[in-house]
Amino acid sequence: EPEVTQTPSHQVTQMGQEVILRCVPISNHLYFYWYRQILGQKVEFLVSFYNNEISEKSEIFDDQFSVERPDGSNFTLKIRSTKLEDSAMYFCASSEALGWQLSNQPQHFGDGTRLSIL
Amino acid sequence: SQQGEEDPQALSIQEGENATMNCSYKTSINNLQWYRQNSGRGLVHLILIRSNEREKHSGRLRVTLDTSKKSSSLLITASRAADTASYFCATDALGDTGGFKTIFGAGTRLFVKA
Repeated sequence: EPEVTQTPSHQVTQMGQEVILRCVPISNHLYFYWYRQILGQKVEFLVSFYNNEISEKSEIFDDQFSVERPDGSNFTLKIRSTKLEDSAMYFCASSEALGWQLSNQPQHFGDGTRLSIL
Repeated sequence: SQQGEEDPQALSIQEGENATMNCSYKTSINNLQWYRQNSGRGLVHLILIRSNEREKHSGRLRVTLDTSKKSSSLLITASRAADTASYFCATDALGDTGGFKTIFGAGTRLFVKA
C-alpha cells in the first residue's frame, strides 16, 4: 500500500537555525498537510496546500513557517529562526480530495519528524 | 472553541473486552473521523462517518454519531493487545480564508492487557 514518507525521522537543530522537513506524499494525492504534535499534547493543524498554494493555515503558521512543493513529489516545511518551543513531532499528510467538498477522503499520515531545538 | 474532545483520557481493559471512547464537538460538521496512533508513529485513519449517518461499522469498529448532541462514540469489540494505542476523533472546520482545517481532539489512550 502506498504511504507518505518523511525525512529525517529525527532532526536536532540549534535555536535560531533554519530547518527543512521533507515529505513525499502519496503520488496521486492532490492535497497536502502539515501538523504538529508537542509531546503529550494533541495534534495541531498547521497548513493545507493544494494546486501549489496554501489552502488554509492556522494561527500557529506565522511568518516563521513556509511550505513548498519544489518538484512533482516532495512537499517541504521550512521553519526559519527556530525557537525552543518549536520542538515537536511534525506530521505530513496527504489526501485525494478535500473531504467535505468532494468525496470525504481520509488523510494519510507519515510517521513524522521529531524536531528537537537545543 | 475547541473541537473534538474525547473521553475518557485513558482506558485500561482486559483483552477480549469492549472499549468505548467518546468524542464531543462544538460546531457543525460535515463528517467526523477517527484515527489511531501507535506510540512514535503517525496517525492511521480508521473510519469516517458523514453528518447524515448515525452508525457505521468496519470490522470490530462501530462508530455512532449524534449530531443533536454533537457527539460520537467509537466502540472496539473483542479488544486485542494490538489495539493498544491512542485514538483521536477529528472534524473539519472552516478556516479564516475559506479553506478547511482538521481539528483533532486530545485523544483517548487505550491500553489492552493480555
